Amino acid sequence: KAGVTQTPRYLIKTRGQQVTLSCSPISGHRSVSWYQQTPGQGLQFLFEYFSETQRNKGNFPGRFSGRQFSNSRSEMNVSTLELGDSALYLCASSLGGRPETQYFGPGTRLLVL
Amino acid sequence: AQTVTQSQPEMSVQEAETVTLSCTYDTSESDYYLFWYKQPPSRQMILVIRQEAYKQQNATENRFSVNFQKAAKSFSLKISDSQLGDAAMYFCAQAGANSKLTFGKGITLSVRP
Repeated sequence: KAGVTQTPRYLIKTRGQQVTLSCSPISGHRSVSWYQQTPGQGLQFLFEYFSETQRNKGNFPGRFSGRQFSNSRSEMNVSTLELGDSALYLCASSLGGRPETQYFGPGTRLLVL
Repeated sequence: AQTVTQSQPEMSVQEAETVTLSCTYDTSESDYYLFWYKQPPSRQMILVIRQEAYKQQNATENRFSVNFQKAAKSFSLKISDSQLGDAAMYFCAQAGANSKLTFGKGITLSVRP
């Protein structure tokens, strides 16, 4: 079974721009969660989508948003990029139970200049 | 609120020896899972082992085993017969009813040949 895939793998943007990251979960998984990893703050939960609905949300500003499609693929959008948004963005998928094991994709490295 | 604490930032082990990584957690939930994830330089987050809180038996996966002390809220990872490929950052994490993963700050493990 194919693992979680994320595109793009690397991205360079400038302040004020917006960016969209994509995540395709493991086949059969209905939940997709997003995490931000930075050296200073570590791994922080952004949000979770299950059956096209946001089921849980972390403490991030409204510039961070997401959505999930009927095939469980998910996108994350960050508007008005700030230097502090430079990070590794990890997507994880699971069957959707609570609690449940989450499997991660390779991540998208975002650099904001 | 859930918290996960990894107090040791770095550890080193001789190849073929055994090493134990420590983790403590805090939660008010009764149904939760605990995990150890490995993050090598590629930054891909890889699941090492999972422990369901309701299970008394400690989980094992080949050379990896845990010591789960529920009353003490302690969850340590033992790596036996350490290999060069075990060198990575290791994260302890907890998932509860809200399905999000709460991570510790991680520990960098180096393996000496």
